[in-house]
Amino acid sequence: DIQMTQSPPTLSASVGDRVAITCRASQSISTWLAWYQQKPGKAPKILLYKASTLERGVPSRFSGSGSGTNFTLTISRLQPDDSATYYCHQYETYPLTFGGGTKVEIK
Amino acid sequence: QVQLVQSGAEVKKPGASVKVSCKASGYIFNNYAMHWVRQAPGQRPEWMGWINVGNGNTKYSQKFQGRVSITSDTSASTVYMELSSLRSEDTSVYYCARIGVTTFFQHWGQGTLVTVSS
Repeated sequence: DIQMTQSPPTLSASVGDRVAITCRASQSISTWLAWYQQKPGKAPKILLYKASTLERGVPSRFSGSGSGTNFTLTISRLQPDDSATYYCHQYETYPLTFGGGTKVEIK
Repeated sequence: QVQLVQSGAEVKKPGASVKVSCKASGYIFNNYAMHWVRQAPGQRPEWMGWINVGNGNTKYSQKFQGRVSITSDTSASTVYMELSSLRSEDTSVYYCARIGVTTFFQHWGQGTLVTVSS
């Protein structure tokens, strides 16, 4: 199985800050990576797919980069509504797997 | 708009089975595969399996092989996930999730909490 490792597990930042979350795959997944945002008690919500393609309706302050084994989700200007847990997800190979999550808190 | 509406919360005893439904609307049901993902409290999502609702073909995670069954009723635009031989570690929120243009999860159901407790 492909292991997905996210860092940091938690981060605390101020409104307007630029924050970055990294995701590493245990083997190459090309760009078959998606990012989700999850708020407590809710289903995950797709933010980006194919590593860097923004889902329709998602604010442009979210961006993604990377290929192979190393990926980054960047929030360019953190907003209060961005307080959530973020997961990466590889869909290159079955079984599909997810990262351990990064909880983003607003200072 | 795409909607996936799941059945309500369940409480089951160890050894029992549970069947969760997911009713789809807002798109051509046969055109998209449906997956099931579960998430234990405080844990990462975990993929369980998927069904090609057009032909009924399924693929399951090895972890659940032999315990999980995913079926569909095209006349009702509904997908079902049945998990048997339940144990306490199966206590999770279970989600159905429809793929997008490729196998990322573009749409999710609201989730169904399954609690396994004696």
